[in-house]
Amino acid sequence: GAVVSQHPSRVICKSGTSVKIECRSLDFQATTMFWYRQFPKQSLMLMATSNEGSKATYEQGVEKDKFLINHASLTLSTLTVTSAHPEDSSFYICSAMVSGGEYNEQFFGPGTRLTVL
Amino acid sequence: QKEVEQDPGPLSVPEGAIVSLNCTYSNSAFQYFMWYRQYSRKGPELLMYTYSSGNKEDGRFTAQVDKSSKYISLFIRDSQPSDSATYLCAMSAPGANNLFFGTGTRLTVIP
Repeated sequence: GAVVSQHPSRVICKSGTSVKIECRSLDFQATTMFWYRQFPKQSLMLMATSNEGSKATYEQGVEKDKFLINHASLTLSTLTVTSAHPEDSSFYICSAMVSGGEYNEQFFGPGTRLTVL
Repeated sequence: QKEVEQDPGPLSVPEGAIVSLNCTYSNSAFQYFMWYRQYSRKGPELLMYTYSSGNKEDGRFTAQVDKSSKYISLFIRDSQPSDSATYLCAMSAPGANNLFFGTGTRLTVIP
């Protein structure tokens, strides 16, 4: 199957700083990537849809100025958590979509655990 | 009401048992149904995918979809300790990119 990587896998930062998370599709091109957040023992919550070359689409309740998404190439999307606070501590997972088949399958990255002190 | 409901468990079974995991949903437009397995602190990996109603079998795993009842199931036969993980159901509608996930069921298979 298609491989998606995320970097870093784990990050600890101080409150008020910004953190950038990268999501890469390693062996395929993805015009659409997704960013999810997962709190402990909860399901994945879609934050935004990232489209190559255009603005991201954010889900209701997700602050676009706080969670900056850039999808500058067909293999890379970045999520920047700006002015991070302890309540932003979570597991962030990206996925990359492969379209054109029977359905639009999403391949998930391994996730990034963010801890804000 | 959530789009997708899934019992979070946790569920503990002895090795070799048959495991039944279930989800219900409310949106009749959903046509694609997936089961993902997620190990601790890892991203989800696709286990099974089913289109519309019916059964699909892959080794020890069987996925069932009953669209009339808006109910999907995943059965694991001869469960192994390596099956211990969180299982998430997900579904989507034709033409839509979004996946709607259940909360996930945490499964532990005891040797």
